[in-house]
Amino acid sequence: DAGVIQSPRHEVTEMGQEVTLRCKPISGHDYLFWYRQTMMRGLELLIYFNNNVPIDDSGMPEDRFSAKMPNASFSTLKIQPSEPRDSAVYFCASSFGGSPLHFGNGTRLTVT
Amino acid sequence: EDKVVQSPLSLVVHEGDTVTLNCSYEVTNFRSLLWYKQEKKAPTFLFMLTSSGIEKKSGRLSSILDKKELFSILNITATQTGDSAVYLCAGSTGANNLFFGTGTRLTVIP
Repeated sequence: DAGVIQSPRHEVTEMGQEVTLRCKPISGHDYLFWYRQTMMRGLELLIYFNNNVPIDDSGMPEDRFSAKMPNASFSTLKIQPSEPRDSAVYFCASSFGGSPLHFGNGTRLTVT
Repeated sequence: EDKVVQSPLSLVVHEGDTVTLNCSYEVTNFRSLLWYKQEKKAPTFLFMLTSSGIEKKSGRLSSILDKKELFSILNITATQTGDSAVYLCAGSTGANNLFFGTGTRLTVIP
């Protein structure tokens, strides 16, 4: 089992640029979550999907953030345009039913 | 508003000490309480607690939940340097959502 795979590991971009983060969940898992982690606010849920359908996106900060899950094995989180305050580590996690979440290693985003 | 509060924020101990980490929660439609350990990268799962008063153990780690007082503790006995990490507590709702605390940073000194 390869676990949850995220790419890229690190992303450095300039303010105003589009950023796309990618996630491959564990095969067979039916829930996928995007979290953002900062020193000040800890881990915050941005959005989660069940069977590829977005269930709760109330944590998405602004319209600049969007997420898609076109199939069971792939999801993207896009920020357009990016701002320095978006700098954080973005985690993807997946689970099956009510089982504990399995996290990817995260993408560290720096927006200058 | 749902919230999870952990204490202390940070803790420094010597190898061999016993530590207790605290987590209080206010989560709507609470289903379970989870503990994760985060070293440099991804949080890794430790325990999931759904019933009050039943201790879960894994080696030197143990945890218990009090659903009346809305808190949980994580105990680590005979600490080792490898226990140094951020320990995260999260409350799970019926909607399969997790609300995380900001964590307790544990440092174990040789």
